[in-house]
Amino acid sequence: DTAVSQTPKYLVTQMGNDKSIKCEQNLGHDTMYWYKQDSKKFLKIMFSYNNKELIINETVPNRFSPKSPDKAHLNLHINSLELGDSAVYFCASGAGRSGNTIYFGEGSWLTVV
Amino acid sequence: GNSVTQMEGPVTLSEEAFLTINCTYTATGYPSLFWYVQYPGEGLQLLLKATKADDKGSNKGFEATYRKETTSFHLEKGSVQVSDSAVYFCALLLNAGNMLTFGGGTRLMVKP
Repeated sequence: DTAVSQTPKYLVTQMGNDKSIKCEQNLGHDTMYWYKQDSKKFLKIMFSYNNKELIINETVPNRFSPKSPDKAHLNLHINSLELGDSAVYFCASGAGRSGNTIYFGEGSWLTVV
Repeated sequence: GNSVTQMEGPVTLSEEAFLTINCTYTATGYPSLFWYVQYPGEGLQLLLKATKADDKGSNKGFEATYRKETTSFHLEKGSVQVSDSAVYFCALLLNAGNMLTFGGGTRLMVKP
């Protein structure tokens, strides 16, 4: 069974559209994250949730809105997509304690045209 | 602030060559250290980790030792294979914030 699963894996959409990426983890972790990987492979934290509460919200446009219906799910909604939003988005989860491993989903490749 | 610096790639090696990818960090506190690997077109996979000074993480022939005195966590492998071609990320995790801070990634290309 996949520990952290996210869908869709590939998404091509037009500028101005609204899209969502879903993420689920079956590891029983309390903390979930969204990371963005740009075209140069650089990884940057976007959001962190602990038990459905927002813990970290890095400098991200408010067009990006995470939603956590329960601690096993953290979805990412993106409104009014722009060309610069094209990237790979990784969902991840962890136990929320130092030393514990953070596990990543397989990534969602978003292309805005 | 916290940061991770790793050598820029690409690193190009012949099969069976020795690999070193340097990683140094700056952190307020005592982080856990990780290496993740990303194979072409795939997601991030944990390769190895170390949670305290002098710990050695190892997996699939790769090793890295947590060196507090030099704030380093260099990745090594004695004999690389073509299948090791990937991007390698060094990262740190602190208790406060509980988020991974990544280095910029190092692309490894192994030629037959």
